[in-house]
Parts: sequence; structure tokens; C-alpha cells
Amino acid sequence: SQKIEQNSEALNIQEGKTATLTCNYTNYSPAYLQWYRQDPGRGPVFLLLIRENEKEKRKERLKVTFDTTLKQSLFHITASQPADSATYLCALPMDSNYQLIWGAGTKLIIKP
Amino acid sequence: GAVVSQHPSRVICKSGTSVKIECRSLDFQATTMFWYRQFPKKSLMLMATSNEGSKATYEQGVEKDKFLINHASLTLSTLTVTSAHPEDSSFYICSASVAGGTDTQYFGPGTRLTVL
Repeated sequence: SQKIEQNSEALNIQEGKTATLTCNYTNYSPAYLQWYRQDPGRGPVFLLLIRENEKEKRKERLKVTFDTTLKQSLFHITASQPADSATYLCALPMDSNYQLIWGAGTKLIIKP
Repeated sequence: GAVVSQHPSRVICKSGTSVKIECRSLDFQATTMFWYRQFPKKSLMLMATSNEGSKATYEQGVEKDKFLINHASLTLSTLTVTSAHPEDSSFYICSASVAGGTDTQYFGPGTRLTVL
């Protein structure tokens, strides 16, 4: 069955630097992959969706890449700020319906 | 746009009582709503998928008689935890998909349930 792997260790980054988070999946390549942000005690918030035919997608300081050969997506935050500190989740569809498989998330800490 | 609300945000109840959690899509119609459970530092665990006007589809291992889901309208789904026990204490989150095939799920703020 499809599995998602995200680095379970917290990622500490100095303010102003670029933070890079990794999402690896194990089996079939999904039609798309999504990234969400979750703050403590809150529901996830959608950030970006990237489709299998897109190599890269950008939104303001965020950039997502999707490598179907490596079965990996990278999530970058440039010019990171303390307000970017949160847990970032990747998710991809189980099949043709709307159900998603979720990674456990990576906690990002931006130090001032 | 695409705002989802949940009520209540926190609830504390005694063991054996039932608790109802509401999930509403405020500015869009949600053909499909999802209910998740999340343990600390763990991934979201899908409990069930709910389509308006039909019975919910429960994931393996989720007791349908314990977690009653109703999706009576395109803007409201409810989750009732029946005869709650301390092991049901968790963070419950709903999400909704915009009707029309959008792939994105919009999440509610979650409900923290504590069963004493």
C-alpha cells in the first residue's frame, strides 16, 4: 500500500534562510500531491497542489517540486520567518476519489 | 472563501455520554466531507468519508455504531461519539471538498474531545 514518509525530526532553520522539507512516497505515482500547514491545536490549511506533469510550482515565498522518478516532493520556504514555524504535512490521493493519504508532518522551527 | 467551521472547539464529557460535533462549510457547498482523528505528533487518520444524502463510508477499524456520521445537507455534517470512553479522547477534524471536482480539502479548526 502507498506510504508517505516525512522527516519526523524537527527542522531548525535560521530566520532568512531557505527551509526545505521532504516528502517521499513508496508506490504508485499520484496524479497530484498537496502540502498543508498545521499550527498546534488547529486544522491543516491548504498551501499548494502540484500535479504529476508539473515539475515545480510557486506561491509567494513557497516553492514545491515533484519528481516522479525519485517519488519525492520538496517544499521550500525562502526568506523564512519565525511566523513560518509550524508543522507541514504532505498528502496525496489514495485513488481516483477525494480521499488523501497523509504524512505525519515535519515540524519546522524558524529561529530569529 | 472556502471556510469550514467546527463546533464545539473543545468539549469535556463524562464517560458514557454522547457528544455531537458539527462541521459546516460556510461559503461553499460540500458534496463530500471527511472526518479525521489526530493523535499528538501523528498523522491525520481518516475515519470516514461522508457524501450528502448517503451513508458514510467508514475506514477499516472504525466502529460505525460508535462514531455516527450524518451528512444531511451540502453544508453540514455531524459526528456523534456515542457512549464515549477515555480512549476516545482525541482531536477530531473535519474537512470538505468543494463540489465540482476540486482536489483540495478545506479543514475545520478541529474539536478537542476529553472524556473523563
